[in-house]
Amino acid sequence: SQTIHQWPATLVQPVGSPLSLECTVEGTSNPNLYWYRQAAGRGLQLLFYSVGIGQISSEVPQNLSASRPQDRQFILSSKKLLLSDSGFYLCAWSVIRGGTGTDTQYFGPGTRLTVL
Amino acid sequence: AQKITQTQPGMFVQEKEAVTLDCTYDTSDPSYGLFWYKQPSSGEMIFLIYQGSYDQQNATEGRYSLNFQKARKSANLVISASQLGDSAMYFCAMLGQAGTALIFGKGTTLSVSS
Repeated sequence: SQTIHQWPATLVQPVGSPLSLECTVEGTSNPNLYWYRQAAGRGLQLLFYSVGIGQISSEVPQNLSASRPQDRQFILSSKKLLLSDSGFYLCAWSVIRGGTGTDTQYFGPGTRLTVL
Repeated sequence: AQKITQTQPGMFVQEKEAVTLDCTYDTSDPSYGLFWYKQPSSGEMIFLIYQGSYDQQNATEGRYSLNFQKARKSANLVISASQLGDSAMYFCAMLGQAGTALIFGKGTTLSVSS
């Protein structure tokens, strides 16, 4: 079966510091990978998605970047964190089964980031 | 533009009762998918159920069923025989024809009491 891991689980960082969040998926090959952010008490907003190694699409222009150095690894980064980067970051994966609008996305446990 | 609307900020139900969580959607895509996720206090987003726009029958997964009314653009989640462990935030989401970003509603907090 497939599993998805994220670390760290929680992170407290000062403004202006760098960030690296990691997501790995096990038990599947060539998944689509996603980074979402959830502000307090809100739904999720897609930040980045990737359909393959080195292929990154950005949905929202901001202070963050993403990379996919390996098939099942997705990394979210920032060079200098802002207060507004605080939130809950969720990684997700999906596998295209064919047909549009059908790909269920499965989420990891998330990373809670607080920028002070 | 695609949009998901969940009008119930909070719902309260007693154990063993059924509860319906409302969700309406808006899209111009002819093909789309509708999803419900559960988010307990731990934060993990747990997939519950999926309904495709061309599916003729309402989806069911154990105690969860999706009341899909395409003409009314509604996709309500029905939880039968509620349990204390069902207390969580529930999100309705949609995946359009482009098939990348899930569009989420604002969620409904469900509280189950004994």
